[in-house]
Amino acid sequence: EDKVVQSPLSLVVHEGDTVTLNCSYEVTNFRSLLWYKQEKKAPTFLFMLTSSGIEKKSGRLSSILDKKELFSILNITATQTGDSAIYLCAAYLQGAQKLVFGQGTRLTINP
Amino acid sequence: DAGVIQSPRHEVTEMGQEVTLRCKPISGHDYLFWYRQTMMRGLELLIYFNNNVPIDDSGMPEDRFSAKMPNASFSTLKIQPSEPRDSAVYFCASSLGGGLGNQPQHFGDGTRLSIL
Repeated sequence: EDKVVQSPLSLVVHEGDTVTLNCSYEVTNFRSLLWYKQEKKAPTFLFMLTSSGIEKKSGRLSSILDKKELFSILNITATQTGDSAIYLCAAYLQGAQKLVFGQGTRLTINP
Repeated sequence: DAGVIQSPRHEVTEMGQEVTLRCKPISGHDYLFWYRQTMMRGLELLIYFNNNVPIDDSGMPEDRFSAKMPNASFSTLKIQPSEPRDSAVYFCASSLGGGLGNQPQHFGDGTRLSIL
């Protein structure tokens, strides 16, 4: 069975801290790994990672994929209260052409 | 640009009633996905369409659920009869050329469904 596991499930930190969110996957026909941020409504797209070892960066957020060890991390530096959200990772399956989501990490940034 | 549009935003109805959720994908997108999100099970894919044709409905929980896509700009997810355990947030998403795996899915704001 295709599976994506995120850790931790919940994380509370202070503004300014750096956080690392983890995502591991066991899926057939892996194509790429996606990260989404979900605040109150729709998940919004952050990154898509297809190749190992190539960091993708957007402002204070960055992410990297390790296809040998089957995991990805999402880093957020100098966190702000606006970073509070659920962060979802998902594995894109080639052939099946669908996303398998992890349970999400609920991140809370306290001022 | 308009994103994925879902309606209604909230639906509260009694057990046994028929529920219809609606979705308008982003114009030009050829893949459409229906998801359900609950605290217990997270975000689960129910069904997806490519060029209006259902491709994989293995996530549809039971025969009470059905989905249609009569044209490229409209899809419905119907539950008949509804049950309290169907209470969840239902998301619609669309993407372009999803088969290549290099285009992200874009989500609507969801329909929060409560079955009493």
